[in-house]
Amino acid sequence: EAQVTQNPRYLITVTGKKLTVTCSQNMNHEYMSWYRQDPGLGLRQIYYSMNVEVTDKGDVPEGYKVSRKEKRNFPLILESPSPNQTSLYFCASSPWTGKNGYTFGSGTRLTVV
Amino acid sequence: AQTVTQSQPEMSVQEAETVTLSCTYDTSENNYYLFWYKQPPSRQMILVIRQEAYKQQNATENRFSVNFQKAAKSFSLKISDSQLGDTAMYFCAFMKTSNFGNEKLTFGTGTRLTIIP
Repeated sequence: EAQVTQNPRYLITVTGKKLTVTCSQNMNHEYMSWYRQDPGLGLRQIYYSMNVEVTDKGDVPEGYKVSRKEKRNFPLILESPSPNQTSLYFCASSPWTGKNGYTFGSGTRLTVV
Repeated sequence: AQTVTQSQPEMSVQEAETVTLSCTYDTSENNYYLFWYKQPPSRQMILVIRQEAYKQQNATENRFSVNFQKAAKSFSLKISDSQLGDTAMYFCAFMKTSNFGNEKLTFGTGTRLTIIP
């Protein structure tokens, strides 16, 4: 089944404790991206990757890092999480163009206390 | 920069009725795509329908159709014969086309739709 797999689904952590949210897709998609969803703000792009070793900032990259060492994987790293990073996170992927829509993961609910 | 506005934070409608969700956007681009995504309580983001800006014909997918008014920058979603499973948050999204660039989605703030039995 074609899918984007995110883990974990839920995560509660403390301020300053490094964490990684994993994302993997099995569709051989070139393009991958991370979004965060906050009430009243919709979804906003954090980082994106056009292909292996090619990543760039989106609209809200502060406090996040990403890497793309393999085509299928695109982890999101929070090196020193803060409470304002409490949010719902989505990974998404598409072929070279997103004109047919993106495939989203099932989301990660992160709470930073 | 593009912006997407959904002016109806919440809506409710009786089962089997028709409901229209509104969306307006602002852009200076000529080539772009518009999408409606559904987010049920499971949180999954599900693509409902897409529209190519250069196509004048409105997209339809079974009970879902759009009214795309390019000059007015309006992209409303009509759900006919609404069903309980349509209860969800609905997001309107804009995507500027780009050759080998960042085709990010710009989302509206969402409309929470409740179908009443």
